Amino acid sequence: SQTIHQWPATLVQPVGSPLSLECTVEGTSNPNLYWYRQAAGRGLQLLFYSVGIGQISSEVPQNLSASRPQDRQFILSSKKLLLSDSGFYLCAWRTSSTGELFFGEGSRLTVL
Amino acid sequence: SQQGEEDPQALSIQEGENATMNCSYKTSINNLQWYRQNSGRGLVHLILIRSNEREKHSGRLRVTLDTSKKSSSLLITASRAADTASYFCATDEDSGYALNFGKGTSLLVTP
Repeated sequence: SQTIHQWPATLVQPVGSPLSLECTVEGTSNPNLYWYRQAAGRGLQLLFYSVGIGQISSEVPQNLSASRPQDRQFILSSKKLLLSDSGFYLCAWRTSSTGELFFGEGSRLTVL
Repeated sequence: SQQGEEDPQALSIQEGENATMNCSYKTSINNLQWYRQNSGRGLVHLILIRSNEREKHSGRLRVTLDTSKKSSSLLITASRAADTASYFCATDEDSGYALNFGKGTSLLVTP
């Protein structure tokens, strides 16, 4: 069966520090991968998606970047965090361009 | 970008009652999906309805879709305290690779 792992679960970082959130999927090949951000009490904002290794599409201009170094690995990064980067980050995957999304448990980032 | 918009933003009912949440969207879609999120957790898929379907059932869930009105509803029958969560609709657009989520409805079911 397919599983998705996302880490770290929580982190507190100072403004200006770097960030790396990692997501891996097991049990499937060539998934579409997604990073969403959820601000407190808000809906989900799509940040990045990837349909293959090295293929990254950005939905909004921001202080973040994403990479897909392996088929089932998706990384969210920042060189210098801003206060506004605080939020709940969710990684998700699906096997095609349609169909249901499978989410990780999320990473809660607090930037101080 | 967000497309779906749920209504109401918050809903409080008692166990045994039915809960109805609505979703409106703006562009043509392939399908519409509903997700549930327990506090502090990831989202879990509940049900998917395709653009050529009008109604779908899954257990205590009933989803309707009206493409002419660009709207959908999620009905949870005989609600339980364990149904307390946030519920999101998400649209799969014709030209997109990603789902667009609304802001969600926060459902509280009290015993």
